[in-house]
Amino acid sequence: NAGVTQTPKFRILKIGQSMTLQCTQDMNHNYMYWYRQDPGMGLKLIYYSVGAGITDKGEVPNGYNVSRSTTEDFPLRLELAAPSQTSVYFCASSPGGSGNQPQHFGDGTRLSIL
Amino acid sequence: EDQVTQSPEALRLQEGESSSLNCSYTVSGLRGLFWYRQDPGKGPEFLFTLYSAGEEKEKERLKATLTKKESFLHITAPKPEDSATYLCAVQAEYNNNDMRFGAGTRLTVKP
Repeated sequence: NAGVTQTPKFRILKIGQSMTLQCTQDMNHNYMYWYRQDPGMGLKLIYYSVGAGITDKGEVPNGYNVSRSTTEDFPLRLELAAPSQTSVYFCASSPGGSGNQPQHFGDGTRLSIL
Repeated sequence: EDQVTQSPEALRLQEGESSSLNCSYTVSGLRGLFWYRQDPGKGPEFLFTLYSAGEEKEKERLKATLTKKESFLHITAPKPEDSATYLCAVQAEYNNNDMRFGAGTRLTVKP
């Protein structure tokens, strides 16, 4: 099993450009999450999904959009890239349900906005 | 507001020198406290979940403990391969869709 796979691993964008960060999981998990990790800060939740067709905002959703059309995939969209969105982005999944299941993480996408 | 504070920010140990990492938390009803290990360039890797005060979990040289206000990750006789950033996260009873993470402790074990 590959677990949680994120692509691309690295990306440089110009201010105002758009891009989609891809995330797919092969564990048949219902719950999926997007976090960003900035130096010296804890992971911050951007968006999450509890199942196909259901998404909701996390702590820092501004400037991002998500969709969940299948159980496996949970892409994150940046519409107008800004320097403040320079970060490392992690996707995670969990079985969900009871709410205290550990999350399984991908290896991240390192994004620089110049 | 739920908060997680980890200390120290960085810790350097000699191989075999035991120590502890601290995770202090404030949450309105704890559903679970999680410890993760993160290697450079990788995503966090799950280590332990603790649910209630007094609980302990062990894995190889690591032992995690929990009180009502903090958790400790004890590292006994560490080896260089234990070098990593250790993250603590809490999940509140009222919100099973969100985990609040601390900033982590960066551990370096010198041979």
